[in-house]
Amino acid sequence: KAGVTQTPRYLIKTRGQQVTLSCSPISGHRSVSWYQQTPGQGLQFLFEYFSETQRNKGNFPGRFSGRQFSNSRSEMNVSTLELGDSALYLCASSLEAGEINTQYFGPGTRLTVL
Amino acid sequence: QQQVKQSPQSLIVQKGGISIINCAYENTAFDYFPWYQQFPGKGPALLIAIRPDVSEKKEGRFTISFNKSAKQFSLHIMDSQPGDSATYFCAASMEYRSNTGKLIFGQGTTLQVKP
Repeated sequence: KAGVTQTPRYLIKTRGQQVTLSCSPISGHRSVSWYQQTPGQGLQFLFEYFSETQRNKGNFPGRFSGRQFSNSRSEMNVSTLELGDSALYLCASSLEAGEINTQYFGPGTRLTVL
Repeated sequence: QQQVKQSPQSLIVQKGGISIINCAYENTAFDYFPWYQQFPGKGPALLIAIRPDVSEKKEGRFTISFNKSAKQFSLHIMDSQPGDSATYFCAASMEYRSNTGKLIFGQGTTLQVKP
């Protein structure tokens, strides 16, 4: 079974631009979460989607948004990029069946804002 | 109250030794405590996890010890190997209480196992 895939793997943008990152969960997984990883702040939760609905949201400005499609694939968008948005953006999917909902992470998208 | 504090920030252990990483939390609503391992260029991968109704869980060379009253939990890596060199993250969530997979991560520990 293929793991979580994220595209693109690397991205370079300039301040003020916007960016869209894509995540394809493991087949059959219905929940997708996004995290931002930086050396200073570590791993921080952005948002969580289940069945196309945002179930939970972290403490990030409104420039960060996301959505989930009917096939469970998810995208996140960052508008008006700032230098501080440079980070590794990780997507995780889980099955949402039974008690244990292990989150499986993708390799991430490395975003650099110049 | 949502924080998970992890220590040490970095750890150097000789091959065959025991690596110990500690985490502490404040929010008693947390009900799921996983540990993740991350290699450079990769996403975090689940290593082992525990629920607060269990004081210890062992999987191979990896053991979680959980102290509910002290609100602390730790990862022990027995017989540490150079291949264990990675960054380790503890995490907590209200998985069962709030039906969410949202993970609160510790700051991470970079482990180096010397041959």
